[in-house]
Formats: sequence, structure tokens, C-alpha cells
Amino acid sequence: GENVEQHPSTLSVQEGDSAVIKCTYSDSASNYFPWYKQELGKRPQLIIDIRSNVGEKKDQRIAVTLNKTAKHFSLHITETQPEDSAVYFCAAIQTGTASKLTFGTGTRLQVTL
Amino acid sequence: EPEVTQTPSHQVTQMGQEVILRCVPISNHLYFYWYRQILGQKVEFLVSFYNNEISEKSEIFDDQFSVERPDGSNFTLKIRSTKLEDSAMYFCASTVGDVNTEAFFGQGTRLTVV
Repeated sequence: GENVEQHPSTLSVQEGDSAVIKCTYSDSASNYFPWYKQELGKRPQLIIDIRSNVGEKKDQRIAVTLNKTAKHFSLHITETQPEDSAVYFCAAIQTGTASKLTFGTGTRLQVTL
Repeated sequence: EPEVTQTPSHQVTQMGQEVILRCVPISNHLYFYWYRQILGQKVEFLVSFYNNEISEKSEIFDDQFSVERPDGSNFTLKIRSTKLEDSAMYFCASTVGDVNTEAFFGQGTRLTVV
């Protein structure tokens, strides 16, 4: 089955700096890669996603890049703000498996003033 | 904006008791899921459900677990005889289709087995 690795497990940045979170996946058939933000005690919320026919996608301060050859994808947050502090999960979907999400282990992002 | 709703938000139960977690998926969605998140760990897939039957289940989803869509709106997860290690946050999710579609998550039910 699919296996998703995520690094780092914790990340502390100063407000205004950039944050980068990296994931790798094992199943070359995976073709949809969402990123979720989870605040303490709350549901995972989709913040951005990328499909395998695209190499990069941007939405304001958030961008995601995908390298299909290397099976890597990354989340980039620029101009970080305290409200960006949360746990971020990457995920991958195996095609033909009813959109079953395989999650990474999560990155706890702390944005300090 | 439509959302997935779950009840209860928190359930405390004694070991060995049965629990039923309830979910109301988004009305035009066809695929339904249960995920589990043990405190401080990643979200793990339990089961997917489509057209009134299980599409796929993980190793976690053993004979103690079952799912049901008893009517046109509810989607339930039953744990027959709870164990301490079943303590976790359980998330229901739904999607419109089965490939490359956004999963919408409910707010979760925190299950505590004592």
C-alpha cells in the first residue's frame, strides 16, 4: 500500500519567515496530493491540493510543488503569521481506492513573534 | 457552506461496552469514510463505504467494527466491545466522487474508553 513520509515533525519559524514542509510517497499511481491544516482539537481542513498533471500550484501565501519523478511534494508558506501555527498533514490518494487518504505523520508548525 | 456533522462530540464509555458514532455526510456526496486519530498521531484510514457496502477497510477495522447507513442521511460506526486502545478521535468524511476529489471532514468524536 501507499506510504507517506513527512518532514520535519516540528518546525519553528519567526513571524514573516517562510516555512517548508516536505513529503514523499511510495505509490507512483497516486495522483492527488492534498494538504490539511489541523488546529488543536479540530478537524483537518484542506488548505491546498495538487494533482499529478501539475508541477506547482499557488494560493496567496501558500504554494505546493510536486516532483512526480522523485515522488516528492512540498508545502511552502511565505510571510508566516501566528495564525499559521497548527499541525500540517500531507496526504496522497491511491487511484481506484475510493479516495482513501494516506496521511503523513504531521508537522507541528510554530510561528513565533 | 455544507458540512459533515458528527455526534456526539465526546463519548466516554467503559471497556467492553458498545458505542455508535454518528455522522451526517454532505447530502450530494456518494462516498463515506471513517478515519481515526490517536492523540498526537497521524490520521489513519479505517473504512470507505459506497453504494451501501464497504469499498475498502484497513487492518484496524476488525470484526469489532461495523458501519451502516441506516437511512438516507446517517452514516454510523459501531464498535461492539470497546478496548482501551480504541480511545481516539474518530473523523467521518465524505466525497462527491471516488477519484481525486476533496474529502470534507466532520469535526470529530472524541472517544474515551475507561
